[in-house]
Amino acid sequence: KQEVTQIPAALSVPEGENLVLNCSFTDSAIYNLQWFRQDPGKGLTSLLLIQSSQREQTSGRLNASLDKSSGRSTLYIAASQPGDSATYLCAVYSGRRALTFGSGTRLQVQP
Amino acid sequence: NAGVTQTPKFRILKIGQSMTLQCAQDMNHNYMYWYRQDPGMGLKLIYYSVGAGITDKGEVPNGYNVSRSTTEDFPLRLELAAPSQTSVYFCASSYSNRGQPDSSPLHFGNGTRLTVT
Repeated sequence: KQEVTQIPAALSVPEGENLVLNCSFTDSAIYNLQWFRQDPGKGLTSLLLIQSSQREQTSGRLNASLDKSSGRSTLYIAASQPGDSATYLCAVYSGRRALTFGSGTRLQVQP
Repeated sequence: NAGVTQTPKFRILKIGQSMTLQCAQDMNHNYMYWYRQDPGMGLKLIYYSVGAGITDKGEVPNGYNVSRSTTEDFPLRLELAAPSQTSVYFCASSYSNRGQPDSSPLHFGNGTRLTVT
């Protein structure tokens, strides 16, 4: 059974800092990995999707990497801003039913 | 283009009552999903559908039922509500033309917050 773990569970950083969020998964036989952002009381917004054949994806200040063999992904946020404060979730698709989600990292960027 | 629309946003049920959570998408997506999110936890899949008339159980289907009579709508039915069903429910959709939803990001609704007392 696929399990997804996100560390740390919560993170507080000053504005402008570069930061890394971690995601690990137990079964390396995945089709893709997605990073989502969730604002309080809202649904999830897809940030980046990395196919199993890819090593990384970039969107603006966000960069996500994928190392399938070690079962790890990182989300790098450059020059963090207060507007980046949210919960970030990663999820993997292993071809069995649907995505398996981690429990998220709650990020607070202090102005 | 509204995306994924869920109604209601909030609901309080008494134990044993029933209700239907509505979900509609206007993106012509073939895959639709229902997840529940408990505090501090990730999302768990309840049911999913790969197209009209086709549904299947997810990780936590007990106490729920779904139907998919059209591409756009995917309602979730709770029968005999229990306190364990207190949660936030999210509907999501995606598109795949290769039989596997492996290339399309998920689009989520804003959720329904349900309390059973």
